[in-house]
Amino acid sequence: DQQVKQNSPSLSVQEGRISILNCDYTNSMFDYFLWYKKYPAEGPTFLISISSIKDKNEDGRFTVFLNKSAKHLSLHIVPSQPGDSAVYFCAASAGNYGGSQGNLIFGKGTKLSVKP
Amino acid sequence: DTGVSQDPRHKITKRGQNVTFRCDPISEHNRLYWYRQTLGQGPEFLTYFQNEAQLEKSRLLSDRFSAERPKGSFSTLEIQRTEQGDSAMYLCASSLLAGNYGYTFGSGTRLTVV
Repeated sequence: DQQVKQNSPSLSVQEGRISILNCDYTNSMFDYFLWYKKYPAEGPTFLISISSIKDKNEDGRFTVFLNKSAKHLSLHIVPSQPGDSAVYFCAASAGNYGGSQGNLIFGKGTKLSVKP
Repeated sequence: DTGVSQDPRHKITKRGQNVTFRCDPISEHNRLYWYRQTLGQGPEFLTYFQNEAQLEKSRLLSDRFSAERPKGSFSTLEIQRTEQGDSAMYLCASSLLAGNYGYTFGSGTRLTVV
């Protein structure tokens, strides 16, 4: 059973608009969440993270929102740029508050296409 | 700093053969991780090291898989008696023990078992 779910395999948005990528999780022990971006033929690249004691974290054009009661997080990209086109993975970790992650559980990813 | 380096980038092997992959992490990183990614899936955890100690192994890591990190520097992942189901991208990542909020992944080794 998947503990981290990204139910949208793909998303297409227009350049300049907002991209919203969603992620749901089932394990209430998860206390740290991360988003990674992956281009073809490259490894995933860390984008942004949030701990369970927060509900929002912002870094430039990227904002992650966490709704613990709904076990849901989302990544907002504003404004979207063509260079943001990639596969985005949501990941979660349990028992690692403070940032020293051990085992990360990844979702299947959402392919974002930003059209000029 | 050249990031996390993995070698080879691609490996094609016949079923039943043994293969070994190498990962060179970022030099000051204490932790080193191995993940496996198949088509349409996210990376799946295999194992991780803190310095030279292997601290956790996934149930995905069957007896045919072994990983080492001698002297706490580079790591090797060996697969013995490869099977077609082992075909995947094998990703290595490294991180500091604390204070770093995301791994740095290498570009991976793509294994094809024919």
